Amino acid sequence: DGGITQSPKYLFRKEGQNVTLSCEQNLNHDAMYWYRQDPGQGLRLIYYSQIVNDFQKGDIAEGYSVSREKKESFPLTVTSAQKNPTAFYLCASSDRGVNIQYFGAGTRLSVL
Amino acid sequence: EDKVVQSPLSLVVHEGDTVTLNCSYEVTNFRSLLWYKQEKKAPTFLFMLTSSGIEKKSGRLSSILDKKELSSILNITATQTGDSAIYLCAAALVNDYKLSFGAGTTVTVRA
Repeated sequence: DGGITQSPKYLFRKEGQNVTLSCEQNLNHDAMYWYRQDPGQGLRLIYYSQIVNDFQKGDIAEGYSVSREKKESFPLTVTSAQKNPTAFYLCASSDRGVNIQYFGAGTRLSVL
Repeated sequence: EDKVVQSPLSLVVHEGDTVTLNCSYEVTNFRSLLWYKQEKKAPTFLFMLTSSGIEKKSGRLSSILDKKELSSILNITATQTGDSAIYLCAAALVNDYKLSFGAGTTVTVRA
């Protein structure tokens, strides 16, 4: 079954803590993306990666970090510098040169 | 700055009604316009429109792009409760992997 797997589904962060959201894809896509979704604001791009070992900041990268050591994996770390992390986080991937992005089921992050 | 605006932000209809959703865009180097449906979790792809005036259709859903007006509409006919969702549109640019998303339209279909 090809697709994008995000884990965990729900995550709670304590103040001052870094947390990492997992995103794995078996679609053999080159590009991967992280979005944040808040009510009434659509999807905002945090980071994206077009190829292994390379990534670029999106529109709201502050307080987040990523790595792309393998084609299949693009984990997102929400650092303690992100003061308002409560949101729904979506990971997506796309094939080279194709605009259609496919999404995972998301991780809902809340602050304790 | 690239901008994608959807209207209305939300609407409530009854089963059997027809719904028309609007998406307007102001982006540099426009390539295509995409529509997604989001029910609770993962957005699922509906349509990608690149050429103006050519309608794309899938069952009760259809969409068309107007490059002169920088806009697109998504129509849903004979709505069902399963059509209740957030509908997102996004603009894709030439030579760019990124998508710029609108805020979405929340559609609620009542039985």
